[in-house]
Amino acid sequence: DAKTTQPPSMDCAEGRAANLPCNHSTISGNEYVYWYRQIHSQGPQYIIHGLKNNETNEMASLIITEDRKSSTLILPHATLRDTAVYYCIVRVAGAGNMLTFGGGTRLMVKP
Amino acid sequence: DGGITQSPKYLFRKEGQNVTLSCEQNLNHDAMYWYRQDPGQGLRLIYYSQIVNDFQKGDIAEGYSVSREKKESFPLTVTSAQKNPTAFYLCASSMRAGVRHEQFFGPGTRLTVL
Repeated sequence: DAKTTQPPSMDCAEGRAANLPCNHSTISGNEYVYWYRQIHSQGPQYIIHGLKNNETNEMASLIITEDRKSSTLILPHATLRDTAVYYCIVRVAGAGNMLTFGGGTRLMVKP
Repeated sequence: DGGITQSPKYLFRKEGQNVTLSCEQNLNHDAMYWYRQDPGQGLRLIYYSQIVNDFQKGDIAEGYSVSREKKESFPLTVTSAQKNPTAFYLCASSMRAGVRHEQFFGPGTRLTVL
């Protein structure tokens, strides 16, 4: 599996955009980038995924660099309920649907 | 409502006892997974199953056992051989293994071995 590197923690002001970076420099051509988040003591929640194009849904946007070695998850207007640990995961294609969770980024949204 | 249920939310057991954690899904998903999470850490895969009557070991299967007799159910047994069983256990399912479908997680069971 391609490994990912994320900052351990970040702060964001309520109402501002939260930009969460992820490095995955060893990603291969058929591996997807997935983002999940985990609010304290709950199960992780899927946010978004992408291969090489930028993606947007009702929760967030995912920006993947042209060389695919890094990506950024954008929460356009962070709320206090977005406080969580955010995991960037690169999925190995063809190996079932296993996900390897690293340490993630602990995002604290402050009023 | 469709979803994944895990019961109970909190579970206490004495050391040396086996304990079985329940995981049920009504999403008609083929694949199911068990993860373990320790405080401040990410999730680690224990076992996964892609179809009924088949399952595979994950990264930390020692001391655990599973069964997949029905599509909807994937119980996990924590045996007395598991040296450090106190943890948060999460069950997940996905539509089909090998396809880029996201995993849906249950609320988790927090197991404490006294």
